[in-house]
Amino acid sequence: TQLLEQSPQFLSIQEGENLTVYCNSSSVFSSLQWYRQEPGEGPVLLVTVVTGGEVKKLKRLTFQFGDARKDSSLHITAAQPGDTGLYLCAGAPGNTGKLIFGQGTTLQVKP
Amino acid sequence: DTGVSQDPRHKITKRGQNVTFRCDPISEHNRLYWYRQTLGQGPEFLTYFQNEAQLEKSRLLSDRFSAERPKGSFSTLEIQRTEQGDSAMYLCASSLDLSPSNYGYTFGSGTRLTVV
Repeated sequence: TQLLEQSPQFLSIQEGENLTVYCNSSSVFSSLQWYRQEPGEGPVLLVTVVTGGEVKKLKRLTFQFGDARKDSSLHITAAQPGDTGLYLCAGAPGNTGKLIFGQGTTLQVKP
Repeated sequence: DTGVSQDPRHKITKRGQNVTFRCDPISEHNRLYWYRQTLGQGPEFLTYFQNEAQLEKSRLLSDRFSAERPKGSFSTLEIQRTEQGDSAMYLCASSLDLSPSNYGYTFGSGTRLTVV
């Protein structure tokens, strides 16, 4: 079973702080995706990383795909209350196109 | 196109009753997925369709659960004889069938089911 494990599961920080969320697996993925979900809504795709070692930036968010394509990280610089939400990593085992999700990291940014 | 629509947004039902949820995907998306999510956890895969064909069902999907996509457009998920453990958010997503793992899913806002 290809599992995606996220850490930490819960993070509560003050506005302006930096943070990193990790997504790890013992299996190789062809790509990994990061989603953000707000309460009562569905997840929204933030980014897809495809190439081992790839780094993508989305404003204050930096996403990295591990060289071996088994792990990924999300770094947020100068977090803001609007960053509050559930962050999910996801990957597709094999070529089915079916995504499996990590258990999520709940981020709370206090003003 | 306004994205993926799910109806209803909320459903409260008594244990033992049947419920049916509907999902309308983005019109040009061939693939449609159903997931279940409990509070603070990641979505768990239930089943998915390519056009009208149901290609995979999770072991999580007991005999009480059935999903259809009769004309390759909208889909329904029915739960028979609901149990309290069925209480969760049921999410529908759609994608193009061109490497959806690269292009990602578009999710609906979900149906929150509460079984009392």
